[in-house]
Amino acid sequence: GENVEQHPSTLSVQEGDSAVIKCTYSDSASNYFPWYKQELGKRPQLIIDIRSNVGEKKDQRIAVTLNKTAKHFSLHITETQPEDSAVYFCAASSQDTPLVFGKGTRLSVIA
Amino acid sequence: GAGVSQSPSNKVTEKGKDVELRCDPISGHTALYWYRQSLGQGLEFLIYFQGNSAPDKSGLPSDRFSAERTGGSVSTLTIQRTQQEDSAVYLCASRPGTGTVGYTFGSGTRLTVV
Repeated sequence: GENVEQHPSTLSVQEGDSAVIKCTYSDSASNYFPWYKQELGKRPQLIIDIRSNVGEKKDQRIAVTLNKTAKHFSLHITETQPEDSAVYFCAASSQDTPLVFGKGTRLSVIA
Repeated sequence: GAGVSQSPSNKVTEKGKDVELRCDPISGHTALYWYRQSLGQGLEFLIYFQGNSAPDKSGLPSDRFSAERTGGSVSTLTIQRTQQEDSAVYLCASRPGTGTVGYTFGSGTRLTVV
């Protein structure tokens, strides 16, 4: 089955700097890669996703890149703000399988 | 409803008791998932329902765990003879169907076994 590895487990950045979180997956059949943000005590919320027919997607300050050959995908957050502080989860799935999540990255943005 | 609704939001139970957790997905969403999140940990898949198909139970950790989905809508996750290691947040999610669409999660049920 699918296995998703996520790095780093914790990340601290200064406000205004960029943050990058990286994930690798094992199943070449996976074709959907969402990212979720979970604030303390809250539910995970979808912030951006990418499908395997696309290499990059941007939404304001966040972007995701996908390298299918290397089986890795990354989340990029630019101009970080204190409200970006949260735990971020990557995930992967194929057409008919449940999402398999990485173990999460705790991002702290220091004002 | 407008979102995925879970109840109760918190449950404290004694070791050895049975508990039932409820999930009401977004109306029209045919796919429903249960995940477990232990303190400070990631999301562990438990079970998946898709329409009228047989559920994917491959993530259930033991035979003390079971789930059903009645009428293709509301789902109940049952844990029998609870153990302390069952303490976690149980998250339910739904999406319109299979394929490349993200889940919408409920707020979860925080289960504490004492």
